[in-house]
Amino acid sequence: RKEVEQDPGPFNVPEGATVAFNCTYSNSASQSFFWYRQDCRKEPKLLMSVYSSGNEDGRFTAQLNRASQYISLLIRDSKLSDSATYLCVVPPGGSWGKLQFGAGTQVVVTP
Amino acid sequence: EAGVTQFPSHSVIEKGQTVTLRCDPISGHDNLYWYRRVMGKEIKFLLHFVKESKQDESGMPNNRFLAERTGGTYSTLKVQPAELEDSGVYFCASSPYGSRTTDTQYFGPGTRLTVL
Repeated sequence: RKEVEQDPGPFNVPEGATVAFNCTYSNSASQSFFWYRQDCRKEPKLLMSVYSSGNEDGRFTAQLNRASQYISLLIRDSKLSDSATYLCVVPPGGSWGKLQFGAGTQVVVTP
Repeated sequence: EAGVTQFPSHSVIEKGQTVTLRCDPISGHDNLYWYRRVMGKEIKFLLHFVKESKQDESGMPNNRFLAERTGGTYSTLKVQPAELEDSGVYFCASSPYGSRTTDTQYFGPGTRLTVL
């Protein structure tokens, strides 16, 4: 089993709609979680950090379920510019600095 | 403020040759990381420098890979000799000094390495 697993998608979303997807992780000792966004052939960029039960930033909401070991990302009122690959990132517990990436979930927002 | 820069952006070499990738972190960032994305796979950690010291090199695939960070500024990643499976995108990231794993890592644009 991979340390971080994501549904690869693609999730095809009409502009203005809501989309949500999950990420599961295997290391129960992990304490912090991140969503990064990666545009085609670009570098990953931090979208949100999740330290407790969840985090909200504008149209983006991340939720953490420690009991079931998953993190979700919800995007409301989707914009065309939200089209990207969303990477779930979970530093392994007890490890300083090392990030473990999921393979990413592709989101395509259509007009 | 300049971001993380990497050189070259692309490199095409033949199997058996040597390639050196360079990363310049954000000025003042003590932490420097190397990651790699092989085609169709997730981004994987290679190693972590704190200043000039290797904090964690558990992700280095084998002894054909040598990373250095002399003087604690820029870093180089040398692959010698290169094999076909080394093809991929090599990302460098940096973060300010801190003892938490939660420090944001800023990624460079990557070096796309193709080994023929």
